Amino acid sequence: AQTVTQSQPEMSVQEAETVTLSCTYDTSESDYYLFWYKQPPSRQMILVIRQEAYKQQNATENRFSVNFQKAAKSFSLKISDSQLGDAAMYFCASGGSRLTFGEGTQLTVNP
Amino acid sequence: GAGVSQSPSNKVTEKGKDVELRCDPISGHTALYWYRQSLGQGLEFLIYFQGNSAPDKSGLPSDRFSAERTGGSVSTLTIQRTQQEDSAVYLCASSWATGHNEQFFGPGTRLTVL
Repeated sequence: AQTVTQSQPEMSVQEAETVTLSCTYDTSESDYYLFWYKQPPSRQMILVIRQEAYKQQNATENRFSVNFQKAAKSFSLKISDSQLGDAAMYFCASGGSRLTFGEGTQLTVNP
Repeated sequence: GAGVSQSPSNKVTEKGKDVELRCDPISGHTALYWYRQSLGQGLEFLIYFQGNSAPDKSGLPSDRFSAERTGGSVSTLTIQRTQQEDSAVYLCASSWATGHNEQFFGPGTRLTVL
């Protein structure tokens, strides 16, 4: 069984600042992927970034990067130069075919 | 190209009635998934289809829930004898294949059971 835990129900950040969202997971699989999805009020789930568990190098997508600590089963998301459009619910997920999601972190970006 | 589409966008029904939710995946995607998102919570896996293989139904919460995928494309999630606890947003996703490919999500159907 897999579990994903996001311990921060809500976070806020000032525009242009940096924020880190936390995620821990537990899995019995040896080959798995980790994901961060963003869900704005429109309900549309949008992939932000993906990390292959077998890769040690942390994934980066423009202003978004992850800190993947495999031994600690930790997968945090860093958003640099935060923008108003980054405000959304962020979900961490792990798995392959069937994804297991955390309960989400609501990010507010203050102008 | 077109993304994943779902219909209806919203559905209000009375307790005990049956409902059908539809998902049109991205053309060419062989894998299709259904998730349920209750208010203020994360997504809960329900079922996935991969090509002609038998679907993984391990996430369906009860035998009132069923899903089919006709012709390897459109999928319908059916909930029989709806209960108030079935109220949630039902999200569909598709991908090129199962495994670790990115899942592309539809906008969801918000189901309200009165």
